Amino acid sequence: ELKVEQNPLFLSMQEGKNYTIYCNYSTTSDRLYWYRQDPGKSLESLFVLLSNGAVKQEGRLMASLDTKARLSTLHITAAVHDLSATYFCAVDNSRIQGGSEKLVFGKGTKLTVNP
Amino acid sequence: ETGVTQTPRHLVMGMTNKKSLKCEQHLGHNAMYWYKQSAKKPLELMFVYSLEERVENNSVPSRFSPECPNSSHLFLHLHTLQPEDSALYLCASSQDTGRFQFFGPGTRLTVL
Repeated sequence: ELKVEQNPLFLSMQEGKNYTIYCNYSTTSDRLYWYRQDPGKSLESLFVLLSNGAVKQEGRLMASLDTKARLSTLHITAAVHDLSATYFCAVDNSRIQGGSEKLVFGKGTKLTVNP
Repeated sequence: ETGVTQTPRHLVMGMTNKKSLKCEQHLGHNAMYWYKQSAKKPLELMFVYSLEERVENNSVPSRFSPECPNSSHLFLHLHTLQPEDSALYLCASSQDTGRFQFFGPGTRLTVL
């Protein structure tokens, strides 16, 4: 059974600082997604990573995928208050042999950026 | 309208009520999903429909009954729910299962 673990689950950081959120998963898959969720709102798609070594960047966020290590990172550069949200990674279970057709989500990382 | 829409956005119901949640996607996708998001649990997949056929049912109690009449519409029929069913119910769609899923705004359900 595919398991997806994120850490940290809670992250409080100062504006202007850098930090990384980690997403580990238990079974090889070559497709991983990052989502953002603001309080009381739905999930907003951020990145899709489709191959080993894939790197995507949007503003102050950069995501990467290492399929051999079964690890994805979401790096935050010079954080600003607007980035405060919960960030989820999700792994495509359908890409795993015998896997069912679904995404398996991590528990989310709640990020708070303090002024 | 664009994207994925859900109605109602908020719903309060008693345990003996019957209600339905509606989801509509305007993206031309052929896969649709229901998720449950509780305060203390990770996002839980409930149902997956691909080309209007159910392909995944994650041991969801029978008091939740999905319906997918066509590739653009998805319903979740609710009957004799329990207070622990109170949660945010999210609908999503994608072009084929396993592809990037686009989420609706959710229905905040409270069961009294």
